[in-house]
Amino acid sequence: EPEVTQTPSHQVTQMGQEVILRCVPISNHLYFYWYRQILGQKVEFLVSFYNNEISEKSEIFDDQFSVERPDGSNFTLKIRSTKLEDSAMYFCASSPRDGRNSPLHFGNGTRLTVT
Amino acid sequence: GESVGLHLPTLSVQEGDNSIINCAYSNSASDYFIWYKQESGKGPQFIIDIRSNMDKRQGQRVTVLLNKTVKHLSLQIAATQPGDSAVYFCAEIRRTGGGNKLTFGTGTQLKVEL
Repeated sequence: EPEVTQTPSHQVTQMGQEVILRCVPISNHLYFYWYRQILGQKVEFLVSFYNNEISEKSEIFDDQFSVERPDGSNFTLKIRSTKLEDSAMYFCASSPRDGRNSPLHFGNGTRLTVT
Repeated sequence: GESVGLHLPTLSVQEGDNSIINCAYSNSASDYFIWYKQESGKGPQFIIDIRSNMDKRQGQRVTVLLNKTVKHLSLQIAATQPGDSAVYFCAEIRRTGGGNKLTFGTGTQLKVEL
């Protein structure tokens, strides 16, 4: 069964550094998402992406965050200058249709630790 | 504010028993609901979904019930197995002005005892 894959599984970075989290969505999916989960808390929406542009973003997704689909298979999340509070699990997801018409399929996440 | 939340943070059941995990939502405009299972160290895994024009949907060993009158959602797992141990999240898609924002509840930990 096709899967969403994320790399790396664990990223450690120093405060103020830039990080790029990588995702390969399921190949025939058209909608892409990033969510995050701070330890012990619920999964929170960050951003949705369709047709090479952001379709919706949350208050968390400020100017320090950006997303990109650099080619036909990868979908990346960049954090320009990491803060301690960015430490979390970051999940990429994709869906074949609008999220109101099909469930999202999630990867296993990247654990980001900011020191 | 509006939110999706779960009644019980931890549910312990005996192997072979049926499990019922509950979820309350407050946004009557939500029209699509999904249950996800999250095992330790993994991402949320889709279990079953239901639209607001339905009140019941069955899958393999799982049933989702939707009661729009009281804004309540439940997940029933038949003959619970050790592999069912995980955190279960309900999630909703709100009918906002656009986009696909999936809002998760806080999660219920299901523990299956042998």
